[in-house]
Amino acid sequence: GENVEQHPSTLSVQEGDSAVIKCTYSDSASNYFPWYKQELGKRPQLIIDIRSNVGEKKDQRIAVTLNKTAKHFSLHITETQPEDSAVYFCAAVPPISGTYKYIFGTGTRLKVLA
Amino acid sequence: GAVVSQHPSWVICKSGTSVKIECRSLDFQATTMFWYRQFPKQSLMLMATSNEGSKATYEQGVEKDKFLINHASLTLSTLTVTSAHPEDSSFYICSAPLDPSGYGYTFGSGTRLTVV
Repeated sequence: GENVEQHPSTLSVQEGDSAVIKCTYSDSASNYFPWYKQELGKRPQLIIDIRSNVGEKKDQRIAVTLNKTAKHFSLHITETQPEDSAVYFCAAVPPISGTYKYIFGTGTRLKVLA
Repeated sequence: GAVVSQHPSWVICKSGTSVKIECRSLDFQATTMFWYRQFPKQSLMLMATSNEGSKATYEQGVEKDKFLINHASLTLSTLTVTSAHPEDSSFYICSAPLDPSGYGYTFGSGTRLTVV
């Protein structure tokens, strides 16, 4: 089955710097890769996603890149702000019998230092 | 936007008792609901998938008789933790696909269960 690895597990950056979180997946059939942000004690919120037919997607300060050949995808946050501090989860979605089960990475705790 | 309402947000129960967690889809029909468990500082582990009108599908290692899932209608799915023990203490969260394509989940707000 699909397996998703996420690195780093923790990341501290200075406000204004960029942050990059990387995930690798094992199932080449996976075709959808969302990123979620979870603040302490709250529900995960979708921040950006990318489908396998696209190599890059950007939404203001957030971008995601996908390398299907290498089976990895990355989240890029530019001009980080203290409110970006949270846990970020990537996920890969293999089309298993149409159920679209999300396989989550282990999470990255991002801390933006003011 | 589409929201999944989850209740209760937190619950404390005694060992041996059962606890029911509800997830309701608001403004959309959730034919499928995914139930996750999250330990502190860890990832979301899929426990089971519930489908309206049929039996839930459990992930390997998840006890069906302990975690009872019912998907009674297109807007309601419930998870009952039976005969709870302290090791069942965790954050339980549900999610539903926003459309039939399966792309894009919306999550419930989660339930923090503490078994004493």
